[in-house]
Amino acid sequence: GEDVEQSLFLSVREGDSSVINCTYTDSSSTYLYWYKQEPGAGLQLLTYIFSNMDMKQDQRLTVLLNKKDKHLSLRIADTQTGDSAIYFCAESPTDSWGKLQFGAGTQVVVTP
Amino acid sequence: GAVVSQHPSWVICKSGTSVKIECRSLDFQATTMFWYRQFPKQSLMLMATSNEGSKATYEQGVEKDKFLINHASLTLSTLTVTSAHPEDSSFYICSASNRGVDGYTFGSGTRLTVV
Repeated sequence: GEDVEQSLFLSVREGDSSVINCTYTDSSSTYLYWYKQEPGAGLQLLTYIFSNMDMKQDQRLTVLLNKKDKHLSLRIADTQTGDSAIYFCAESPTDSWGKLQFGAGTQVVVTP
Repeated sequence: GAVVSQHPSWVICKSGTSVKIECRSLDFQATTMFWYRQFPKQSLMLMATSNEGSKATYEQGVEKDKFLINHASLTLSTLTVTSAHPEDSSFYICSASNRGVDGYTFGSGTRLTVV
């Protein structure tokens, strides 16, 4: 199985908050990332969090990190139709710089 | 911000032919670039690490003679899929690093279809 796990699908109504969860395995990971992928496109970095932080907020995005449980979440406030995409969490293990380990991605569908 | 250009965005080729995909860092020098492969509705799998001026490092299970990587300059890495077969059809994405914490900039991807 994959080292980084995510739920595969999330449906949310426009205007509500979305929460995407991720668990990872490498406790030595220095940075954890959230990427967004729209259909047929590459990956867009949304945000990242340093491993010594518990929370990071960036406009509508809030990242929570529970290092003890190796749990990462991304909350999108006031979800819009343009937020429909696949969201990947990724960890960057310290012993393999540059080799991002991705989760399988969470398909977020925003309904009117 | 850092920009990575990937070309072509899509390509259709016949079985047995070779296809070259380019990955360019437009506004920074990238000593290291990464090539990923993504199957439909699946995650990205790292294929290889491309190092400027030296041989690429391939992940386990990736055939280096089939997926040729050349990183001849600080702004360009190429992936050549040799003797392509339908099972090579996939979405290939490169990323380049400027060694910053947010330095994993991804290209827009190349959709390869082998017929």
